[in-house]
Amino acid sequence: SQQGEEDPQALSIQEGENATMNCSYKTSINNLQWYRQNSGRGLVHLILIRSNEREKHSGRLRVTLDTSKKSSSLLITASRAADTASYFCATVNQGGKLIFGQGTELSVKP
Amino acid sequence: EAGVAQSPRYKIIEKRQSVAFWCNPISGHATLYWYQQILGQGPKLLIQFQNNGVVDDSQLPKDRFSAERLKGVDSTLKIQPAKLEDSAVYLCASSLLGGRSSDTQYFGPGTRLTVL
Repeated sequence: SQQGEEDPQALSIQEGENATMNCSYKTSINNLQWYRQNSGRGLVHLILIRSNEREKHSGRLRVTLDTSKKSSSLLITASRAADTASYFCATVNQGGKLIFGQGTELSVKP
Repeated sequence: EAGVAQSPRYKIIEKRQSVAFWCNPISGHATLYWYQQILGQGPKLLIQFQNNGVVDDSQLPKDRFSAERLKGVDSTLKIQPAKLEDSAVYLCASSLLGGRSSDTQYFGPGTRLTVL
């Protein structure tokens, strides 16, 4: 079964705009990770945020985590056409097992 | 550094046939994972190996799926016999140690299976 639910399922924006994707989960976690998947390719790890962290940045990516609401968001600033992909959140338990959400499909139009 | 290698990239078979997928993890990575990703969904863990031992196969349909990791390096995943609902992308991933929440998993490009 899948732990996370992502919202929206699909998002279409113009280049230069910001994209925000949300992830909600059900059980307690050790950390939460975000992955990107280009069409027909494997997943690429983007960023990890630990359960005791509230916000993390990596380049144009900003991730927040609210453990009281069991939710996380991924913000991509100044989006580019190359950011077009599916984005998945994955919750991680103490043993390191990843449980993925169903993903958000992002389309960035030039 | 070479990434996770998988073959074949695509496979089309008829239902009730058998199929096998191969994965070569990143050199030195102790833990290897097989995931199933059905269209429109996130990946679901099928089996996790630590070296050549199985750590978690709770989601593996053992009546038709089998996997092995001989010598703790390469791995094969087999489906016998295949059903229509097995159509999916099968992803292999590896991590340096595994079993720790902070480990990063590195994914291969996947094998897209179509069962007709």
